Order: sequence, then C-alpha cells, then structure tokens
Amino acid sequence: AQSVTQPDIHITVSEGASLELRCNYSYGATPYLFWYVQSPGQGLQLLLKYFSGDTLVQGIKGFEAEFKRSQSSFNLRKPSVHWSDAAEYFCAVERGDDKIIFGKGTRLHILP
Amino acid sequence: GAVVSQHPSWVICKSGTSVKIECRSLDFQATTMFWYRQFPKQSLMLMATSNEGSKATYEQGVEKDKFLINHASLTLSTLTVTSAHPEDSSFYICSASGTESASSYNSPLHFGNGTRLTVT
Repeated sequence: AQSVTQPDIHITVSEGASLELRCNYSYGATPYLFWYVQSPGQGLQLLLKYFSGDTLVQGIKGFEAEFKRSQSSFNLRKPSVHWSDAAEYFCAVERGDDKIIFGKGTRLHILP
Repeated sequence: GAVVSQHPSWVICKSGTSVKIECRSLDFQATTMFWYRQFPKQSLMLMATSNEGSKATYEQGVEKDKFLINHASLTLSTLTVTSAHPEDSSFYICSASGTESASSYNSPLHFGNGTRLTVT
C-alpha cells in the first residue's frame, strides 16, 4: 500500500538558514507527490507537486523539491527561511483515483 | 485560482446533537470532494470520498451512519456529524477536485480552511 513517511516531527532552523524537510514514499509505480503547508488552525496550501518530467520541482514561496526515485524520496528545500515559514508541512502521495495520502507532518520552528 | 470555502470555521455543540459542515467550490465544478479529519498535532486522515450525485465511499473504520456525506451538486458537499460525542471533536477539512483529476498537471486538489468542531 502507498504510504508517506516524514521522519522528522519537529525541525528548528534559524531565520536566514537553509532548510530541508525529508519525505520518503512507498509506491509501486511512478508516484504523484505533493508538499503542502498548514498554518495553525488553517487549511492546506499546495506548495508544489511532482507528476513527471524534471525531477527538481519549483514551488511557491521559494520552495523546491527533488524527486529521487532511487531513494524513494521527495525532500523539500528552501535556501533561506523566513519567520513566516513557521508552520506544519505535509508530504503527500496520490494513492490513485485522486485520493491523497498524507505523511504525519513536520513542524517547522524558526529561531529569530 | 480555485477556491474552496468551508463553513463554519468553528462550531461548538452539545453531546447528542448533529452538526452540518458545508464545503463549496466557488469558481469551479467539483466532481469529487474529499473529507479529512485531523486530530491535534497529527496528520490528515481521509474519511470519505464523494462524487456528485452518488453515494460517498468511506474509508475503512469510518462510520458511515455517523458521518453522513451528501454531494448534491457540483459545487456543494456537506458532512453531517450525527449524535456528536466529545470524541468527535476534531478539525475537519474538505478538498475538492475539478473536472480535471488531481493526476492532471494543471489541477491539484483544493482545500478548504477547515472546521474546528468541539463537542461538549
């Protein structure tokens, strides 16, 4: 069965530092992969998605993610974080028939 | 861009009563809507999938008689939590997929802002 693993529950980085959030997936075929961000008490906002093609995907707010089939990973990166990036980040895989399965999330904390 | 509106954003109800949550697609036709539940500091768990004009498909372990889902039109789906109990308190989020599936390059799922349900 398809699954998504986000090994880090919490990540703390200093403002201006680089960021990498890890995501590993389990899926038999070429997966459709997503990263979403959720601010407290809010819904989800799509940061970026990978369906096919270039394995380095650019998203909104300066985020990017790289699909690595050999490692079954889809890590999210940002070269320089801002205090407003503090939020919960979810990696997700499409299970098929448009059903998206989410990882447990990584809470990002930003130090001033 | 596509917008999904969810209402109410929060609701408090007494144990034993029923609560209805609405999910509307504002500028596109949502052929499929999904309902998720999120416990505090946890991930989103898919509860059910509804297609306009047909019965919802529930995930394993979700009580269909307790969580009634109706998708009567291409812009509206409702989730009714019947005979609510304190353990039903949670954050419920809907998402909608348009005529292009999420598998299409140009059409990801769109999410509402969620409804915080507290049952006292």
